[in-house]
Amino acid sequence: GDSVTQMEGPVTLSEEAFLTINCTYTATGYPSLFWYVQYPGEGLQLLLKATKADDKGSNKGFEATYRKETTSFHLEKGSVQVSDSAVYFCALSSGTYKYIFGTGTRLKVLA
Amino acid sequence: DTAVSQTPKYLVTQMGNDKSIKCEQNLGHDTMYWYKQDSKKFLKIMFSYNNKELIINETVPNRFSPKSPDKAHLNLHINSLELGDSAVYFCASSHERAEAFFGQGTRLTVV
Repeated sequence: GDSVTQMEGPVTLSEEAFLTINCTYTATGYPSLFWYVQYPGEGLQLLLKATKADDKGSNKGFEATYRKETTSFHLEKGSVQVSDSAVYFCALSSGTYKYIFGTGTRLKVLA
Repeated sequence: DTAVSQTPKYLVTQMGNDKSIKCEQNLGHDTMYWYKQDSKKFLKIMFSYNNKELIINETVPNRFSPKSPDKAHLNLHINSLELGDSAVYFCASSHERAEAFFGQGTRLTVV
């Protein structure tokens, strides 16, 4: 079945450091891919998305490119802030009435 | 305007009790979901409904009974609560394969 694999956390960075969170997927067909962010005590918020190969999703300085050849959708940000501290989830949808999530990666940014 | 709202936000109850969580979305979406998030932040699909019809029941104990009175509502009733049911439950909605919108979550604690 479909699956999403994310890098294990936690990831601890200093403010203004470069962030990469790896995400790879297994799916039949051509899924849509998403990154969600969860702040403490809150629900999941969509951070960015891509619906076909080579699409780049971007939002709030975060970017991810849908790479079909490597089945990857890695999240990057050039300069993280303390306010980016949260749990990040990679997810896919194959049109089967469910979203498959990775295990989540906790990011902690230190001032 | 809250897109997906669920109530209550917190629920503390004793083992053996029966409780309900309500969810409403004002986005006009056809598909609604219940997800369970465990203490390690892992998100697992429980149910999905499309146009009030049950599409996915992901091997959830039959103590959990979802009900969708209309496309905008998906409630979750839980009978005979057990300690292992303690988790955060998220309602979500989507239109086809577009991104899912999540509620703020209901933190259920069974004592």
